[in-house]
Amino acid sequence: ETGVTQTPRHLVMGMTNKKSLKCEQHLGHNAMYWYKQSAKKPLELMFVYNFKEQTENNSVPSRFSPECPNSSHLFLHLHTLQPEDSALYLCASSLGQGIQNEQFFGPGTRLTVL
Amino acid sequence: EDQVTQSPEALRLQEGESSSLNCSYTVSGLRGLFWYRQDPGKGPEFLFTLYSAGEEKEKERLKATLTKKESFLHITAPKPEDSATYLCAGTSSGNTGKLIFGQGTTLQVKP
Repeated sequence: ETGVTQTPRHLVMGMTNKKSLKCEQHLGHNAMYWYKQSAKKPLELMFVYNFKEQTENNSVPSRFSPECPNSSHLFLHLHTLQPEDSALYLCASSLGQGIQNEQFFGPGTRLTVL
Repeated sequence: EDQVTQSPEALRLQEGESSSLNCSYTVSGLRGLFWYRQDPGKGPEFLFTLYSAGEEKEKERLKATLTKKESFLHITAPKPEDSATYLCAGTSSGNTGKLIFGQGTTLQVKP
């Protein structure tokens, strides 16, 4: 595996389900990000981790719970979601958190909440 | 409030027909302006970073430029494989690593 991988690629869940999204980067990076991409809306940053520590929470509802056990793995735990949470969830990584470090994105998880 | 706006929302070109995509920004203390390409069903792919007004960067048929208020992505003699959504993002001095994205321009190049 190379680059940034995400699983699953597609997920359908009910409003009462609990599920998790997984992201893994094979680039030796230290910063990892979760983004939400909704139809007709700009990419929206959700969380940032740098060396496993959360450095940014962009006012995300608590029904989204991130976890970063090490610099290579990032999870997004989902519970009691709403239909408006349906979107493409993208993970990204960068060498560091500075602006000189371009972010590399995974293919995303297409989430549908029924 | 920091904001990035892209125009047009969609653009259709004939193969070989050059054009430009616009990205205007109101980002306090802009530290960097990024361009990404996104193909359907894939994550964004990094293209360029511009740091200061007057800077230009090129890659194949693409050239990105930056002024104090906007950035342009010029596409010279495009080919059908250039069809994609092009995203612009800015980052400010107060948000290290935090990218503020525009809504994108979807480009379709017809043979």
